[in-house]
Amino acid sequence: GAVVSQHPSWVICKSGTSVKIECRSLDFQATTMFWYRQFPKQSLMLMATSNEGSKATYEQGVEKDKFLINHASLTLSTLTVTSAHPEDSSFYICSALPDSILYEQYFGPGTRLTVT
Amino acid sequence: AQSVTQLDSHVSVSEGTPVLLRCNYSSSYSPSLFWYVQHPNKGLQLLLKYTSAATLVKGINGFEAEFKKSETSFHLTKPSAHMSDAAEYFCVVGDSAGSARQLTFGSGTQLTVLP
Repeated sequence: GAVVSQHPSWVICKSGTSVKIECRSLDFQATTMFWYRQFPKQSLMLMATSNEGSKATYEQGVEKDKFLINHASLTLSTLTVTSAHPEDSSFYICSALPDSILYEQYFGPGTRLTVT
Repeated sequence: AQSVTQLDSHVSVSEGTPVLLRCNYSSSYSPSLFWYVQHPNKGLQLLLKYTSAATLVKGINGFEAEFKKSETSFHLTKPSAHMSDAAEYFCVVGDSAGSARQLTFGSGTQLTVLP
């Protein structure tokens, strides 16, 4: 149990376009989900906390108008990278905090974004 | 506020020898602590977690870690390394023993296993 999926797993887009990444909790409900970013050979950095039915909470230095987060249901959060540029290329990982188990986040497999 | 320091960015061991990955933490509260493994271009897999129960925590694939409050440490060990253990390992601290709402990741330790 407690599986989190991400789609797509890998995406290439042209500079200036927008890309949407989906994060789904497959077998549990999650009021709270998280979006992380990981640069090559570096650790994960929390970008934002996604709350179902309310606005996301962004970490300092993360542009909320560039990284749009929508958490429309208890099993789905989306991250849209708007007007992508090459410096947005990265590995994006989501996680979900089950409503029934608040002491462990479950991580998705990640999405590799390459902006050309 | 909480923080975590992984003392080694790279560790290299021979197959069949013990593994020790070091982690120190800082937390204002009794923390939850986790070790995750990440294989290249893959997501995170939970190895084990400490949430204020037994101080010696056993995880998957033969890994274990001991919570030492006096030393603020949570080192990861394995008696005998496997080639398949080669990966990046992250020590993670949560905001409290019963909550993982706020996780802070260590910088990671790259484990190399030599034949």
